[in-house]
Amino acid sequence: TQLLEQSPQFLSIQEGENLTVYCNSSSVFSSLQWYRQEPGEGPVLLVTVVTGGEVKKLKRLTFQFGDARKDSSLHITAAQPGDTGLYLCAAGGTGRRALTFGSGTRLQVQP
Amino acid sequence: DAGVIQSPRHEVTEMGQEVTLRCKPISGHNSLFWYRQTMMRGLELLIYFNNNVPIDDSGMPEDRFSAKMPNASFSTLKIQPSEPRDSAVYFCASRATGGFYNEQFFGPGTRLTVL
Repeated sequence: TQLLEQSPQFLSIQEGENLTVYCNSSSVFSSLQWYRQEPGEGPVLLVTVVTGGEVKKLKRLTFQFGDARKDSSLHITAAQPGDTGLYLCAAGGTGRRALTFGSGTRLQVQP
Repeated sequence: DAGVIQSPRHEVTEMGQEVTLRCKPISGHNSLFWYRQTMMRGLELLIYFNNNVPIDDSGMPEDRFSAKMPNASFSTLKIQPSEPRDSAVYFCASRATGGFYNEQFFGPGTRLTVL
């Protein structure tokens, strides 16, 4: 089983602050995904990264895949209350295989 | 597109009762996944199907859990008998045909409470 460790587990910040969350593993992945889950809903895909060193931007969110394809980070600039939620990284699902999810980072952005 | 549909959204039952959760995947998707989410254990894969055939059920906790997919548009997850430790949110997800990077679309979940 490919284990994905996320840190921090919980993060509470004020609106306007920047933050970074991390996803680490000892395994090499061909791709890695980030999902966001809002209360009472299922996870929704934010981005897929596939190349070592790749950086993708989605408005105020910046995703980076490690050079060795074992880790990833998500940086949020000027966080807003709408960013509140559970952020999950997931990997390992190619072909017929299912994704393995990390334990998640629960983010609370206070207005 | 309606997305992945799950029913019921909430279920409260007593220990020992049978519980059946239902899922309708996105039309055209050929893979379906059942997950369980708790605060303690996070999001756990229970079982998944490709083209209606179960591929990996190693995540199913025990014989009290069973899942079926009689056709491409419907799946059930059954717990019989239910126990308080089964209380969790159960998610169904589906994947598009040819989705190499396994983008999964999740339903809204069923919140199960076993008293």
